[in-house]
Amino acid sequence: GQQVMQIPQYQHVQEGEDFTTYCNSSTTLSNIQWYKQRPGGHPVFLIQLVKSGEVKKQKRLTFQFGEAKKNSSLHITATQTTDVGTYFCAGLGTYKYIFGTGTRLKVLA
Amino acid sequence: AAGVIQSPRHLIKEKRETATLKCYPIPRHDTVYWYQQGPGQDPQFLISFYEKMQSDKGSIPDRFSAQQFSDYHSELNMSSLELGDSALYFCASSLGGGRRSNEQFFGPGTRLTVL
Repeated sequence: GQQVMQIPQYQHVQEGEDFTTYCNSSTTLSNIQWYKQRPGGHPVFLIQLVKSGEVKKQKRLTFQFGEAKKNSSLHITATQTTDVGTYFCAGLGTYKYIFGTGTRLKVLA
Repeated sequence: AAGVIQSPRHLIKEKRETATLKCYPIPRHDTVYWYQQGPGQDPQFLISFYEKMQSDKGSIPDRFSAQQFSDYHSELNMSSLELGDSALYFCASSLGGGRRSNEQFFGPGTRLTVL
């Protein structure tokens, strides 16, 4: 079945360092969404990418969708303690969204 | 702004009991998704409804059933509960479902504990 993997599983960074998480699907995706989940909270939508090779920016966050629409990345520049949480990608396959395994980010002050 | 409402927020049940989780989507949203999230795991898609009809099915056990009512709220019914059913259950809603892609707004979740 369709699988969406994310790497790394965990990442600890010093405040001010950059952070990147990668999302890889076993099948071509119609689109991909990114969510952030704070500890004890619920997933919150960040962005949606639809086009092959698409790049979108939100302040310090840069999202990219691969040319083959099978992978995506989220890059955070100069992390802050408020960036702490788990970042999930969710790929729309044939009929439903499959969430990635998530990357848990810890930012050390 | 109104958000997705889930009730109850916490539920404790014994093995083999039944449970019903409720979800009230954002007004005018026509699509509801149910997810199960175990500790330290990613949300697993269970089932979704678009315009009161089941649109997609994921890893929902046969012991579970769900429906979306005329007012668009949804209920997830869980029977013969097992210890492994202990998890956080999220409901999400969106405008325009089926095979169209739209932002999903997640509710706060129901934490189910099966003893």
